[in-house]
Amino acid sequence: ETGVTQTPRHLVMGMTNKKSLKCEQHLGHNAMYWYKQSAKKPLELMFVYSLEERVENNSVPSRFSPECPNSSHLFLHLHTLQPEDSALYLCASSQDPHGLNTEAFFGQGTRLTVV
Amino acid sequence: QQQVKQSPQSLIVQKGGISIINCAYENTAFDYFPWYQQFPGKGPALLIAIRPDVSEKKEGRFTISFNKSAKQFSLHIMDSQPGDSATYFCAAGGSYIPTFGRGTSLIVHP
Repeated sequence: ETGVTQTPRHLVMGMTNKKSLKCEQHLGHNAMYWYKQSAKKPLELMFVYSLEERVENNSVPSRFSPECPNSSHLFLHLHTLQPEDSALYLCASSQDPHGLNTEAFFGQGTRLTVV
Repeated sequence: QQQVKQSPQSLIVQKGGISIINCAYENTAFDYFPWYQQFPGKGPALLIAIRPDVSEKKEGRFTISFNKSAKQFSLHIMDSQPGDSATYFCAAGGSYIPTFGRGTSLIVHP
């Protein structure tokens, strides 16, 4: 266990559904991340939260909506997704995104399938 | 724009052989270069990392070689084992949010 827990592990949703992915870390980290991992593509950084404030958004479509209510929890709200959004969604945390120790601890991911 | 280029995309090695994965970066402000290992069904996990003040770091069978002037770094896996079969990602970061390479799928045949 890395200390980063993601739920659910698997999710199948229709294009008109609304669902949420959850991530939880109790490592005392200040930064949390959402990554998208598709086959044969680099890990795509979607959102970064540092001290509960969003510090980076790489122009992700608005059908993905993050929420960070506190430093231990991170959500990714999904609505009206497309089949090409099917991927493994990884949550990660680190001590400080702009500090010396930038080791990222990843959760096991949520395998999302959009039908 | 891909800031970290990783090669090869896939690698097949016989048990006991040496696996070598290469990465190149562009941003000279990067000062932390980790390698992550990912097994199927798991998230990536830190394997070994290096900072640019040294040219080599070794941990067991895993070695990072770093060439600052060429802006390149590589992972060497000595005496490769079937259990090393996984996807390996290089990354670069430090004062910046880590940027990952595309990944290398390593298969070690028994």
